[in-house]
Amino acid sequence: AQKVTQAQTEISVVEKEDVTLDCVYETRDTTYYLFWYKQPPSGELVFLIRRNSFDEQNEISGRYSWNFQKSTSSFNFTITASQVVDSAVYFCALSSSIQGAQKLVFGQGTRLTINP
Amino acid sequence: DTGVSQDPRHKITKRGQNVTFRCDPISEHNRLYWYRQTLGQGPEFLTYFQNEAQLEKSRLLSDRFSAERPKGSFSTLEIQRTEQGDSAMYLCASSFFRGRFTGANVLTFGAGSRLTVL
Repeated sequence: AQKVTQAQTEISVVEKEDVTLDCVYETRDTTYYLFWYKQPPSGELVFLIRRNSFDEQNEISGRYSWNFQKSTSSFNFTITASQVVDSAVYFCALSSSIQGAQKLVFGQGTRLTINP
Repeated sequence: DTGVSQDPRHKITKRGQNVTFRCDPISEHNRLYWYRQTLGQGPEFLTYFQNEAQLEKSRLLSDRFSAERPKGSFSTLEIQRTEQGDSAMYLCASSFFRGRFTGANVLTFGAGSRLTVL
């Protein structure tokens, strides 16, 4: 069975601090995909990144970066120089590649609050 | 393209009543998904369609739940004889699936329909 664990339920930091959101996953599949989604107060899940299990290169997109480590089954997300607009609930998700990602398994989410 | 639209955004109903939610996906997307999200939890998969065919249903989708996508465009999710445990956010998502082994397609989610059963 597939499982995603986001151990941090809530994180609160002051603006401009760096913050890392942890994600640990379990799967027996050798090929799989990992995702991060952001859910602002409006409720709509916003796609941030997709990673396949064969690509362990870290990725940076502006203030966002992702660290994928297969050895520890982790896919952590770092926001550098956080801003108030980053406040949201962030979800990590996992899917088997064969299924075409229709069946995402989500973690419980981390509520991130950035204080001015 | 305005993204994935869901209606209504909020629904309050009494236990035992039937409710129906509608989802309009992105027009060129051939796959449509329903997820349920309860307070403080991540979304859970309910069912998905490829065009008009319902290809998979979760065990979470009891007999009181029925989803349709009659013409392969919009979809409806009906809950009959609602129970308090049905209170949740019902999320719809869509994607364009190019075929197996072409990589994981990215789901675009709507803002959800929040159901409160009194």
